[in-house]
Amino acid sequence: GAGVSQSPSNKVTEKGKDVELRCDPISGHTALYWYRQSLGQGLEFLIYFQGNSAPDKSGLPSDRFSAERTGGSVSTLTIQRTQQEDSAVYLCASSLVGIAYEQYFGPGTRLTVT
Amino acid sequence: QQQVKQSPQSLIVQKGGISIINCAYENTAFDYFPWYQQFPGKGPALLIAIRPDVSEKKEGRFTISFNKSAKQFSLHIMDSQPGDSATYFCAATEYFGNEKLTFGTGTRLTIIP
Repeated sequence: GAGVSQSPSNKVTEKGKDVELRCDPISGHTALYWYRQSLGQGLEFLIYFQGNSAPDKSGLPSDRFSAERTGGSVSTLTIQRTQQEDSAVYLCASSLVGIAYEQYFGPGTRLTVT
Repeated sequence: QQQVKQSPQSLIVQKGGISIINCAYENTAFDYFPWYQQFPGKGPALLIAIRPDVSEKKEGRFTISFNKSAKQFSLHIMDSQPGDSATYFCAATEYFGNEKLTFGTGTRLTIIP
């Protein structure tokens, strides 16, 4: 079946602009995660959605970052007033609830802020 | 207390050799330890995982060794091949608890002919 998809694959934006990154999880996966991976760095947890529960936003680095998940499926990560330090690959993952150790990752969106 | 420390940051191994990547954790609530493999331009993918009720788990050329008392675990890649060249992340989570993975910082493995 189809895996996790993300769009766009690459995004170049000017400093100060807002961007939206999209994630389509695997059908039936009610848990969805966003991570940030800076060049050559590890995976930084951003936010976690589990079913209809309130999202875990503990990893969002500032109030310029927000995310929503509509209808328990597609998720959008929004970064307002982008800064150069926001340049990174943004990864989305999904899993079945209760099986967080088996996350399926999308290919990521490479964001470059000029 | 949520950290997972991973070493080395990068590793170069000759083809046919053994690649060893080490991780250590602090949170004693962690009880499930997966390893993820990431190729350039791709998202990470689950490679192998272990629970602390066993000291070792083997899948093909990949083996996880686990030392509960030392709170350490490691990935061994036997007969390393150029196709194993990738970045490897260890991770930890609570099997029946917190629905998040805590990742190590990653190891870039290069297998040379």
